[in-house]
Amino acid sequence: GENVEQHPSTLSVQEGDSAVIKCTYSDSASNYFPWYKQELGKRPQLIIDIRSNVGEKKDQRIAVTLNKTAKHFSLHITETQPEDSAVYFCAARWEGGGADGLTFGKGTHLIIQP
Amino acid sequence: GAGVSQSPSNKVTEKGKDVELRCDPISGHTALYWYRQSLGQGLEFLIYFQGNSAPDKSGLPSDRFSAERTGGSVSTLTIQRTQQEDSAVYLCASSSTENTEAFFGQGTRLTVV
Repeated sequence: GENVEQHPSTLSVQEGDSAVIKCTYSDSASNYFPWYKQELGKRPQLIIDIRSNVGEKKDQRIAVTLNKTAKHFSLHITETQPEDSAVYFCAARWEGGGADGLTFGKGTHLIIQP
Repeated sequence: GAGVSQSPSNKVTEKGKDVELRCDPISGHTALYWYRQSLGQGLEFLIYFQGNSAPDKSGLPSDRFSAERTGGSVSTLTIQRTQQEDSAVYLCASSSTENTEAFFGQGTRLTVV
């Protein structure tokens, strides 16, 4: 099965600065890499995803990059705002044994300092 | 409903009792996932259903945990002889295919006392 490592576990940045969260995956067959944001007490929600046929995707202040050779992908948030404070999870989809699924990293608690 | 629905939202049970947690996925979604999230922790994969395929049970922590999905829709996660370490939020998610967005339910907060 797939194994996803996520770093850092906690990230504190000044409002307006950029934040970068990194993930690595183990299964080269993985081809779908979503990022979820979970605000305190709420359910995780998708904020951006990338598929293995592209190297970068942007949506306003957030972007995700993928390096298939190195098997790592990163979330970039620019011009951070207080509402960006949350736990962010990366995930990867793996194939194996006829069963497919979504494996999550352990999450990064992003703190935006005013 | 428009989203994934889980019930109950909260459950307090005595150690040793059995509990059933229910998940109603979005209509038409073939993939259904169960995850466990302990306080301040990440999303621990439990089980995955995809259409009529045999479920991937590789994440179930012990034989006290089981899950079924009837008619390819509603799923029930059963925990037998609950232990205090089972206390967590149990999240269900569904997606239309493996390669698209997984939508999460609001979770069931299980407390074993």
